[in-house]
Amino acid sequence: NAGVTQTPKFQVLKTGQSMTLQCAQDMNHNSMYWYRQDPGMGLRLIYYSASEGTTDKGEVPNGYNVSRLNKREFSLRLESAAPSQTSVYFCASSEGGLAGGFYSQYFGPGTRLTVL
Amino acid sequence: AQSVTQLDSQVPVFEEAPVELRCNYSSSVSVYLFWYVQYPNQGLQLLLKYLSGSTLVKGINGFEAEFNKSQTSFHLRKPSVHISDTAEYFCAVSDRAAGNKLTFGGGTRVLVKP
Repeated sequence: NAGVTQTPKFQVLKTGQSMTLQCAQDMNHNSMYWYRQDPGMGLRLIYYSASEGTTDKGEVPNGYNVSRLNKREFSLRLESAAPSQTSVYFCASSEGGLAGGFYSQYFGPGTRLTVL
Repeated sequence: AQSVTQLDSQVPVFEEAPVELRCNYSSSVSVYLFWYVQYPNQGLQLLLKYLSGSTLVKGINGFEAEFNKSQTSFHLRKPSVHISDTAEYFCAVSDRAAGNKLTFGGGTRVLVKP
């Protein structure tokens, strides 16, 4: 099993350009998440999908959109990139996502994005 | 909203010495608690977790953490560190009512010196 995979690993954009970060998991997990990591701030949740067909905003959703394409794939789109979106982006997945239980999250290797 | 504070941004430590990384969270309602490790240029890996039961939790690589409800703390310890423990460590909390959503602390960078 590859676990959680992300593409690309690195990307440089100019302000105003758009791009989509791809994430896929092969663990048959129901829930998937997108985080951004900035120095000294830990990881902050951008969007999540508790199950196929649903998506919800996290702590820092502005400037981003997501698509849960199917159970395996969860993409993050920047429609008009800004320098403030320079960050490392992590995708994660977990077996479940509903209240009443907790399932560990498994993280991908990250995408390092620079917006000039 | 939940918040997580990791009191030390960097901790230098000599090889074979003990280390303690401090973590405090804001809410005393029912929570799940976690420590993750991030090695250079990699994703996060779960070290250990507290869901319920014994307040002393043992994890991988010789790490352990103690949940203290009255002090809303979840400090991570290792009695003897190795060079390979050089990494960044993140404390995270999930409110039981919030499903699987995690709130992370700012991270503590551990540098193990020979």
